[in-house]
Amino acid sequence: AQTVTQSQPEMSVQEAETVTLSCTYDTSENNYYLFWYKQPPSRQMILVIRQEAYKQQNATENRFSVNFQKAAKSFSLKISDSQLGDTAMYFCAFMKRGGATNKLIFGTGTLLAVQP
Amino acid sequence: DTAVSQTPKYLVTQMGNDKSIKCEQNLGHDTMYWYKQDSKKFLKIMFSYNNKELIINETVPNRFSPKSPDKAHLNLHINSLELGDSAVYFCASSLDVSSYNEQFFGPGTRLTVL
Repeated sequence: AQTVTQSQPEMSVQEAETVTLSCTYDTSENNYYLFWYKQPPSRQMILVIRQEAYKQQNATENRFSVNFQKAAKSFSLKISDSQLGDTAMYFCAFMKRGGATNKLIFGTGTLLAVQP
Repeated sequence: DTAVSQTPKYLVTQMGNDKSIKCEQNLGHDTMYWYKQDSKKFLKIMFSYNNKELIINETVPNRFSPKSPDKAHLNLHINSLELGDSAVYFCASSLDVSSYNEQFFGPGTRLTVL
């Protein structure tokens, strides 16, 4: 069974600075996807970024980038130039590729507070 | 237009009651999901339907019964509500399960059992 671990329950960063959120996972699968979702106070789940395990290049979406270390089973999220609107709960998630269900397995989340 | 909508957004009820949460998507997707987010914010899949067929049924008490009358709707019925059922329930949908397709989430339904 796959598990996803986020070891930082809470983090804080000053506006305009950079912060990195950690995620590790455990799986025996070779083909899978990894995701970071954002859940602001509005409760809406928003996909931030996606990484395909077979791609060596780290995914980037504007101010959001990941550091994917497949051998170490590590998948961290870097947020550059943090903005007040980045304040949210961030969830790391895993999905087996080629499965018949597209089942998402989530970590326990990291609450990020961006301070003015 | 809301892509994935849920009703109601808030539901407060007494222990022992039966309640339903409705979900509708207007994206033309084949696959729909129910997730539960507990008081510690942990999100876990409960059920998934693809083309009205149940494809995921996690270890969930049989008091929970999903119903998919058509591809655009996936409702969640809960019998004999218990205090531990208090949570936020999210519906989601994706194009299908043939390959990776992004899951789009509804706004969630906060259920409080007193």
